Amino acid sequence: EVQLVQSGAEVKKPGESLKISCKGSGYSFTSYWIGWVRQMPGKGLEWMGIIYPGDSDTRYSPSFQGQVTISADKSISTAYLQWSSLKASDTAMYYCARAPYDILKFDPWGQGTLVTVSS
Amino acid sequence: AIRITQSPSSLSASTGDRVTITCRASQGISSYLAWYQQKPGKAPKLLIYAASTLQSGVPSRFSGSGSGTDFTLTISCLQSEDFATYYCQQYYSYPPEVTFGPGTKVDIK
Repeated sequence: EVQLVQSGAEVKKPGESLKISCKGSGYSFTSYWIGWVRQMPGKGLEWMGIIYPGDSDTRYSPSFQGQVTISADKSISTAYLQWSSLKASDTAMYYCARAPYDILKFDPWGQGTLVTVSS
Repeated sequence: AIRITQSPSSLSASTGDRVTITCRASQGISSYLAWYQQKPGKAPKLLIYAASTLQSGVPSRFSGSGSGTDFTLTISCLQSEDFATYYCQQYYSYPPEVTFGPGTKVDIK
């Protein structure tokens, strides 16, 4: 079974750093994109960026370029999303999702990681 | 960047109704469009890709159509489990760029 399992919920203070993870299983991790999607409370889906673990090709949405870093460790089939200095406005649910190389349709999705940033 | 609009933003319907949701792209995207269903507290679920291809395991009452800039998602006979929010997503650009629509919430009349 193809599965993406994300790390658990986080509560952080403004200015702190954070790295959340997304572990793939049941497929060739290096042959599919992993995308990250933000969903702020009560709001819609926002695409943040994608990474191709096979060669680490990474693309960011202009809205998130410079705000987050996407990476992957193919040896452990895990992708990451990280912040160097969190803001209260980063409070959201973050999803990872898999997409084939040539068709950016996202399936399956991880269960989501809730990040709460509050002083 | 390609912008995506959806209409309506919400609708109320009854079980058994036929429901249509529209998605419009700011420029032609061929058939590079997907539809997702999201229920409260759950991750989105892929329903349709390439504008009209049903994802494996998705009921046949869901269908998609369109190409270029205008697309529709149709639920032919609404079931209780279909009350949810629906998002369209374009994936036309290269280098890879993705845009989601703002969503359409379908609730019970």
